[in-house]
Amino acid sequence: GQSLEQPSEVTAVEGAIVQINCTYQTSGFYGLSWYQQHDGGAPTFLSYNGLDGLEETGRFSSFLSRSDSYGYLLLQELQMKDSASYFCAVNNNQGGKLIFGQGTELSVKP
Amino acid sequence: EPEVTQTPSHQVTQMGQEVILRCVPISNHLYFYWYRQILGQKVEFLVSFYNNEISEKSEIFDDQFSVERPDGSNFTLKIRSTKLEDSAMYFCASYPGPSTDTQYFGPGTRLTVL
Repeated sequence: GQSLEQPSEVTAVEGAIVQINCTYQTSGFYGLSWYQQHDGGAPTFLSYNGLDGLEETGRFSSFLSRSDSYGYLLLQELQMKDSASYFCAVNNNQGGKLIFGQGTELSVKP
Repeated sequence: EPEVTQTPSHQVTQMGQEVILRCVPISNHLYFYWYRQILGQKVEFLVSFYNNEISEKSEIFDDQFSVERPDGSNFTLKIRSTKLEDSAMYFCASYPGPSTDTQYFGPGTRLTVL
């Protein structure tokens, strides 16, 4: 089967840094994406890793280690508006379906 | 910025009825997808569509489901005879092709089957 594991919930305070981990077991691997979702709204793309290493996009960074089947999303300078669900997702080939993890609910406290 | 649009935003139907969910993907995108999310659960893949045909479908996408791209802009998901368990948020997504690795999601249609 194919599975992605990520923590169900994380709590942090404003201004802090939080890391959301994702480990995956899939029959193939092309890349790892991260999406943000507020209260059942549309998943919004945050970051993508096709190769090992760190990708930085403003306050958000994402890391991938293909040999460890592991990645993480790093959120810096947390703001209240960052409270949302964060999903990691794997696609097995270019243009292929996304296989989502169960999501991590992030709560940012004042 | 171009975006994926979906109509209706909410759909309430009786069990056994047919529903059609509509999507307008981003212009010039080549790949189209339907996903669904049951309340409180993860997003699940239903079907992908490329070059005017289904490229992949999940176990969920049985004979009750069909997709169509009737013209150059719309992409539809039809559920022939809805069941209670079809109640979910349905998201359409599109992907432009090799220039990027991002799938862009629409705002979703909340389907409630009574």
